[in-house]
Amino acid sequence: DVKVTQSSRYLVKRTGEKVFLECVQDMDHENMFWYRQDPGLGLRLIYFSYDVKMKEKGDIPEGYSVSREKKERFSLILESASTNQTSMYLCASSLLSKGSEQYFGPGTRLTVT
Amino acid sequence: GNSVTQMEGPVTLSEEAFLTINCTYTATGYPSLFWYVQYPGEGLQLLLKATKADDKGSNKGFEATYRKETTSFHLEKGSVQVSDSAVYFCALRPGGGSNYKLTFGKGTLLTVNP
Repeated sequence: DVKVTQSSRYLVKRTGEKVFLECVQDMDHENMFWYRQDPGLGLRLIYFSYDVKMKEKGDIPEGYSVSREKKERFSLILESASTNQTSMYLCASSLLSKGSEQYFGPGTRLTVT
Repeated sequence: GNSVTQMEGPVTLSEEAFLTINCTYTATGYPSLFWYVQYPGEGLQLLLKATKADDKGSNKGFEATYRKETTSFHLEKGSVQVSDSAVYFCALRPGGGSNYKLTFGKGTLLTVNP
């Protein structure tokens, strides 16, 4: 079974802090994704990566950056956290050939105070 | 643009009841359609998919048929169990272009009582 793990289930940070969310997958998937999930809005794609050091902006990249130095690891960075970034963050991965069959991690609930 | 509309939740059923969760979509061309499920405390999992009109996706007793004439992909199960309690997301991938870009509905919370 594919396993996608995220570094924290719950995180509380202060406004202005730099925040790192880490995601690791163990199935050699080429694609990795970061989404945020908000009530009433569903899932929205923040960033996507199809290879090491490669990234593409999703629908809501503002205020976020990403890093992919190794194939199995994809990090989401909030350079200066703000209260409107309080959300559930979901990481996912998939094979390059089956990009829409995505495997998700359990999520990190981030609260910015 | 592309969009997915799901029935508003929450949906509460008794065990062994029949389930329908409605999903309609707007897309150009020939999208692929998916249902994902999120059990409490877990990440989303792919439940079933259909890639062309009249295809029926099925898994774990759930079914959904790709109806192009009504732009719908309703999720059904004949007899739900308590363990089916979860949030269900309908999603589409546009035909052509990138193969990873999913548009999700807002999700429907299902609670099944014993």
